Amino acid sequence: AAGVIQSPRHLIKEKRETATLKCYPIPRHDTVYWYQQGPGQDPQFLISFYEKMQSDKGSIPDRFSAQQFSDYHSELNMSSLELGDSALYFCASSLYNEQFFGPGTRLTVL
Amino acid sequence: AQKITQTQPGMFVQEKEAVTLDCTYDTSDPSYGLFWYKQPSSGEMIFLIYQGSYDQQNATEGRYSLNFQKARKSANLVISASQLGDSAMYFCAMREGDAGGTSYGKLTFGQGTILTVHP
Repeated sequence: AAGVIQSPRHLIKEKRETATLKCYPIPRHDTVYWYQQGPGQDPQFLISFYEKMQSDKGSIPDRFSAQQFSDYHSELNMSSLELGDSALYFCASSLYNEQFFGPGTRLTVL
Repeated sequence: AQKITQTQPGMFVQEKEAVTLDCTYDTSDPSYGLFWYKQPSSGEMIFLIYQGSYDQQNATEGRYSLNFQKARKSANLVISASQLGDSAMYFCAMREGDAGGTSYGKLTFGQGTILTVHP
């Protein structure tokens, strides 16, 4: 069965650089979520989209923005990267009750 | 206040035995969903099981079952016949505002429990 696809899987950036993370949800899933998981922590909700419209927003820094495109893929844009942004970033998608996660993008900011 | 509490930072179990991972939750919403995820050392988040607040029966998925005690606000995960590959971090999560059917909403996670299966 098709799963959530995230790219890239690993990303290394310098402080103050920008990064773009991509997510391709499971086909026919209408909702996409982004989560951030710091080292040794539980995942924290950032933002979600339902049918290409922002549906909820969590503790997402103003330096981050996201959108969902007409083909339902989503991108998380991160600017002025800080050391503290180093984390595992998950995209998840859902249609009914279950919420399926992608493999994550591991971002390292040096 | 913590919405999801997992009180066991680490658990150990012998291969082929059953183990229960604890999860308690706090919500005033009558409609909610409870989830369990497995996160191996490789990092991916693997969906295991879902329980809706209005579901009459406890959810089961293969070797996984969810012991849902609504009055106690607990949603413990039971893994039967543990395998070495079950060694991982396990997260309990909740989604509030579940209406059943088509539902969407953010998940709030607990701190996780590291399960180690001994041969």
